Amino acid sequence: TQLLEQSPQFLSIQEGENLTVYCNSSSVFSSLQWYRQEPGEGPVLLVTVVTGGEVKKLKRLTFQFGDARKDSSLHITAAQPGDTGLYLCAGLRAGGTSYGKLTFGQGTILTVHP
Amino acid sequence: DAGVTQSPTHLIKTRGQQVTLRCSPKSGHDTVSWYQQALGQGPQFIFQYYEEEERQRGNFPDRFSGHQFPNYSSELNVNALLLGDSALYLCASSSLSSPLFGPGTRLTVL
Repeated sequence: TQLLEQSPQFLSIQEGENLTVYCNSSSVFSSLQWYRQEPGEGPVLLVTVVTGGEVKKLKRLTFQFGDARKDSSLHITAAQPGDTGLYLCAGLRAGGTSYGKLTFGQGTILTVHP
Repeated sequence: DAGVTQSPTHLIKTRGQQVTLRCSPKSGHDTVSWYQQALGQGPQFIFQYYEEEERQRGNFPDRFSGHQFPNYSSELNVNALLLGDSALYLCASSSLSSPLFGPGTRLTVL
């Protein structure tokens, strides 16, 4: 059972374009995290969102947590080739007592062409 | 601080063999989790160790086992390897904080 549905699975765009990646679930999460992963490396944490409706910005990246804490989005403005990579959302289930057991989406492979 | 380290970086095994992967957590972290990531997919939780005991387990068969040592380092053991076990195995450490991932071990089963 895939608890976190991430879309789109693949995204190929030109430099300068904007894009949005979505992460949806029928389950409530106490927190949701976004990671970026390069080939052959482990995921690197970009942001953690905790409060429903929360919006966080990291340079050209904007992250939003849904009001009901069931969904999240990642928006990239003016994408650059250096943004290319695998983007993963991961949630910690509400009521969980551990910070280690994350449920991941299947990932979005982003390619930004010069 | 070196962060989370894993060894080996790459490993090639044949079907039926056994493998042991190792993880050293970030200094100050006492919890270690293991994930399996197939190519182009998101990581899948295998299990988590805390205070030298398996605290949580994902949907993986008993062929997957682990251990945590007093210094918080951990091992992942996989017996009777199958072709489908080929993947990137990630270790993540934490301590009441967001997990920090290591670079992973790429296991190829032939």
